[in-house]
Amino acid sequence: GQSLEQPSEVTAVEGAIVQINCTYQTSGFYGLSWYQQHAGEAPTFLSYNVLDGLEEKGRFSSFLSRSKGYSYLLLKELQMKDSASYLCAHPAGNNRKLIWGLGTSLAVNP
Amino acid sequence: GAGVSQTPSNKVTEKGKYVELRCDPISGHTALYWYRQSLGQGPEFLIYFQGTGAADDSGLPNDRFFAVRPEGSVSTLKIQRTERGDSAVYLCASSLRGGRAETQYFGPGTRLLVL
Repeated sequence: GQSLEQPSEVTAVEGAIVQINCTYQTSGFYGLSWYQQHAGEAPTFLSYNVLDGLEEKGRFSSFLSRSKGYSYLLLKELQMKDSASYLCAHPAGNNRKLIWGLGTSLAVNP
Repeated sequence: GAGVSQTPSNKVTEKGKYVELRCDPISGHTALYWYRQSLGQGPEFLIYFQGTGAADDSGLPNDRFFAVRPEGSVSTLKIQRTERGDSAVYLCASSLRGGRAETQYFGPGTRLLVL
């Protein structure tokens, strides 16, 4: 089967660093994506990893370990506007559909 | 440029009625996806179009759900005999060619409430 697991909630303070984890099980691996979703809005793409290691994009970085079936999203210098749900997802097999985790709700407090 | 648009933004209907949800993808994108998202959940795949054809409709929950994309651009998701359990946000996404590594760009969604 194919599944992704994420913590349901994470809380952090403005200016801090937070890591959001995602573990996955899949019969074939075709990369893993992270999306941000603000309440009442559509998901927006953040990153895509297909090779092991860390990819950095400004304040956001994403890490992948294929051998461990594990990824994390690292958010630095947190801002209040980063309060949102963060979802990991991966393409399923030969299809292009995305299989999603339930999302991690991040609350950034002053 | 224009992103993915969806209409209506909100739809309230009564149990048993028929509804149509429209998606206008990014111009030139050949791949179009429909997902459904319930509160506190991740999106759930419904159907994927490559051009005019449904390449994968394995996520449609039952035969009350149907989707078309007759000219390879705009798509319509049709739900017959709506049930209260159909209430959700229906998201449409598009990507350039449907490659696995491609970003899927999402529309704002249609919030469907079945009373």
